[in-house]
Amino acid sequence: GNSVTQMEGPVTLSEEAFLTINCTYTATGYPSLFWYVQYPGEGLQLLLKATKADDKGSNKGFEATYRKETTSFHLEKGSVQVSDSAVYFCALRIIQGAQKLVFGQGTRLTINP
Amino acid sequence: DAMVIQNPRYQVTQFGKPVTLSCSQTLNHNVMYWYQQKSSQAPKLLFHYYDKDFNNEADTPDNFQSRRPNTSFCFLDIRSPGLGDTAMYLCATSRDRQGGYTFGSGTRLTVV
Repeated sequence: GNSVTQMEGPVTLSEEAFLTINCTYTATGYPSLFWYVQYPGEGLQLLLKATKADDKGSNKGFEATYRKETTSFHLEKGSVQVSDSAVYFCALRIIQGAQKLVFGQGTRLTINP
Repeated sequence: DAMVIQNPRYQVTQFGKPVTLSCSQTLNHNVMYWYQQKSSQAPKLLFHYYDKDFNNEADTPDNFQSRRPNTSFCFLDIRSPGLGDTAMYLCATSRDRQGGYTFGSGTRLTVV
């Protein structure tokens, strides 16, 4: 089946630290990969996406590269801010057969000043 | 701005008392989804509509139903809420089954 595994949280960092949140996937087809962010009390917002191998998605200083050989899509940011505190979800979607978006369990990130 | 709007933002209901959550969209998207997200868990798809075609997930309880009277609106009805139905309910849309999702801000439901 299709599934997403994210690194265990919560993650606590100091402002300006380097961030990595690991994400790996298993898929029966050829997936598109996504990172969503959820701020406290809010719905999910698309942060970035990649639709094929070696694509790099980027937005707001965050980046993730679609690695087919390691089935990974790790989220990185060079210098985090307090405003980046949120829950981050990795997700995949198999386009063939119009399958649903499948989420990882989420990683709670807290940035201290 | 085109968007997905969920009402209300917060809802408290009594155990066993029917409740309806609302979602509207101005994107004119064909597909509308309802997800349930319990505390500290990933969102879980309950069902979706492709136009008027209703698609239920195999493990969605019978207690949960949905209506889509037109393109813009979709409702989630919980016939007899239990304490375990306390969760954030997220509505999302996509242009078609291959398109990206746009999420609403969610309705946080508390069953007491």
